[in-house]
Amino acid sequence: GAVVSQHPSRVICKSGTSVKIECRSLDFQATTMFWYRQFPKQSLMLMATSNEGSKATYEQGVEKDKFLINHASLTLSTLTVTSAHPEDSSFYICSARDGGGVETQYFGPGTRLLVL
Amino acid sequence: GQNIDQPTEMTATEGAIVQINCTYQTSGFNGLFWYQQHAGEAPTFLSYNVLDGLEEKGRFSSFLSRSKGYSYLLLKELQMKDSASYLCASMDSNYQLIWGAGTKLIIKP
Repeated sequence: GAVVSQHPSRVICKSGTSVKIECRSLDFQATTMFWYRQFPKQSLMLMATSNEGSKATYEQGVEKDKFLINHASLTLSTLTVTSAHPEDSSFYICSARDGGGVETQYFGPGTRLLVL
Repeated sequence: GQNIDQPTEMTATEGAIVQINCTYQTSGFNGLFWYQQHAGEAPTFLSYNVLDGLEEKGRFSSFLSRSKGYSYLLLKELQMKDSASYLCASMDSNYQLIWGAGTKLIIKP
């Protein structure tokens, strides 16, 4: 149980385009999902916390208008990187928290974004 | 402030035992997590401790001392596939995970 999927797994796009990444909890309902970014050989950096039906809470330094998060249902959250630039190239990972007891976060497989 | 400390890198031999330590200081405490992350992949959940003591799960065990703000992950009978980064994370009073930078474990034959 506790499987989280993420799509796409890899994206290559041109500078200035927008990219949407989907995160789904497959076998549980996730009232809270998290979006992380990880640069090579660096630790996970939390970007935002997404609660179903409400606005996401962004970490300091993360631009809300650039990284749009929508958590429309208990099993789906999306992250849209708007007007992507080469410096946005990174490994984006979502996680979902199973609120039924232990507050464990289960991670999706990640999306590797390369902006040319 | 909130802080998680763990060694940057450790090296061990195949078949041996290794202990990865983690100390934490967070605003409130709702548990200590260990995750494994292979290069280029997302983290996978290993263990969760909220009470003092040792939790054993196969070759992996995790220990917690709340009074000392200390945890360790113990890996036995090391295999080459255990080469990965091991992330320690403390859950604070807001149920947010505060992440350590990870310990890169290198297994040598």
